[in-house]
Amino acid sequence: DVVLTQTPSTLSATIGQSVSISCRSSQSLLDSAGNTYLYWYLQRPGQSPQLLIYLVSNLGSGVPNRFSGSGSGTDFTLKISGVEAEDLGVYYCMQATHAPLTFGSGTKLEIK
Amino acid sequence: QVTLKESGPGILQPSQTLSLTCTFSGFSLSTYGMGVGWIRQPSGKGLEWLANIWWDDDKYYNPSLKNRLTISKDTSNNQAFLKITNVDTADTATYYCARIGGAYWGQGTLVTVSS
Repeated sequence: DVVLTQTPSTLSATIGQSVSISCRSSQSLLDSAGNTYLYWYLQRPGQSPQLLIYLVSNLGSGVPNRFSGSGSGTDFTLKISGVEAEDLGVYYCMQATHAPLTFGSGTKLEIK
Repeated sequence: QVTLKESGPGILQPSQTLSLTCTFSGFSLSTYGMGVGWIRQPSGKGLEWLANIWWDDDKYYNPSLKNRLTISKDTSNNQAFLKITNVDTADTATYYCARIGGAYWGQGTLVTVSS
């Protein structure tokens, strides 16, 4: 199975601060057709995961543009440019290139 | 508008079979390319993908649980199902269904396995 390693596991930020979360894969997520099925989710307390980014860098519908995704191969990053209070929760990366689909262990974002 | 909603027994005893239903709207599982997946999350822990079913009835299972899982669908009633046999306390979790593609998830249903 593909292992996704997220760092850091916990992140504490002030409002307006920019932060980044890393997701490293144990295998390349580039498939033979040239697609990279890497996604980012935010799970707010008591809620279902919400899609933020799909296919590495595409913003989900209705997602604020302070969120951005980048990376390739095995290294991926989610950046929040100017944290807002509503961004608190746990962030997960997920890969769907290789079966079985797997998730990172999560990064908890706390607001100072 | 795409919505999904999970339903389940709430509580069941060890060794029983867990039956979950995902009722959805806004898309059809008979449409080319569509699929529904099941994911679970123990309280305070991370996400674990369980199984997918596709429009053409193709199915994929998490190998770690494959022998215990059965996924199916009822296209005419816009439902997908997951059965997990021989449950134990480790199967206690919130179970989500989601449309493949990642953008649409249900609210989840909490399942507790307890004697």
